[in-house]
Amino acid sequence: GNSVTQMEGPVTLSEEAFLTINCTYTATGYPSLFWYVQYPGEGLQLLLKATKADDKGSNKGFEATYRKETTSFHLEKGSVQVSDSAVYFCALRTGANNLFFGTGTRLTVIP
Amino acid sequence: GAVVSQHPSRVICKSGTSVKIECRSLDFQATTMFWYRQFPKQSLMLMATSNEGSKATYEQGVEKDKFLINHASLTLSTLTVTSAHPEDSSFYICSGAGSGDTQYFGPGTRLTVL
Repeated sequence: GNSVTQMEGPVTLSEEAFLTINCTYTATGYPSLFWYVQYPGEGLQLLLKATKADDKGSNKGFEATYRKETTSFHLEKGSVQVSDSAVYFCALRTGANNLFFGTGTRLTVIP
Repeated sequence: GAVVSQHPSRVICKSGTSVKIECRSLDFQATTMFWYRQFPKQSLMLMATSNEGSKATYEQGVEKDKFLINHASLTLSTLTVTSAHPEDSSFYICSGAGSGDTQYFGPGTRLTVL
C-alpha cells in the first residue's frame, strides 16, 4: 500500500540554522512526492514537488530530492527564518488525485 | 494561489445532533473536492472525493450515511456529520482541485462532540 513516514517533531531551531526533515515513503507504482506547509490559521499550501526519481523540488530556499533507491524525499533548508515556523507535511500521490500524507512536523524557529 | 475557505472554523455540538461544514473555493472552480480527517498527531486521512454534480466516492471504512457529502456547485461542497458522537470529534479539512491536479486546502474545521 501507500504510506508516508516523516520525522516526528516538534523541531526547534535557532534562526539561520540548517534544517532537515526526514521523509520516507512506501508506494505502489511510481509516485509523485510533495511537501506541504501549514502556517498558523491557514490551509496547507504546496511548498514543492518532484514527479520522478532524481528530480529536485525547490521553493523559498527549501529543497527536496526524490531518491528512489532510498525511497526518501527529505526536506532541507540552509538557513531558516522565524517566518518558516509552521507544520510541514510530506505527501505522495500515485495515479489518481489522492494524496497520502505523513503526520506532519512542527517547526519552530527562534530568533 | 487559489483560496479555499471553510466554515465554521470551530464547532461544538451535543451528541446525537448533526453538523454541517461548508467548503468554498473563492477564486476558482473546483471540479473535484476532497474531504480529509485528521486526528491528533496523525496523518490527514482522505474520507471522500466528490465531483461537482456527482455522488461522492468514499474511502474504505468511511460510513456514507454518517458523513454526507454534497458538491452541488463548482464552488461549494458540504460535509454533514449526522448523529454525531464523541468519537467523531476531529479536525476536518477540505481541498479543491480545478482543471489541474494541484489541490488547494481549506484551513480546517475543528469539531468537538460532547
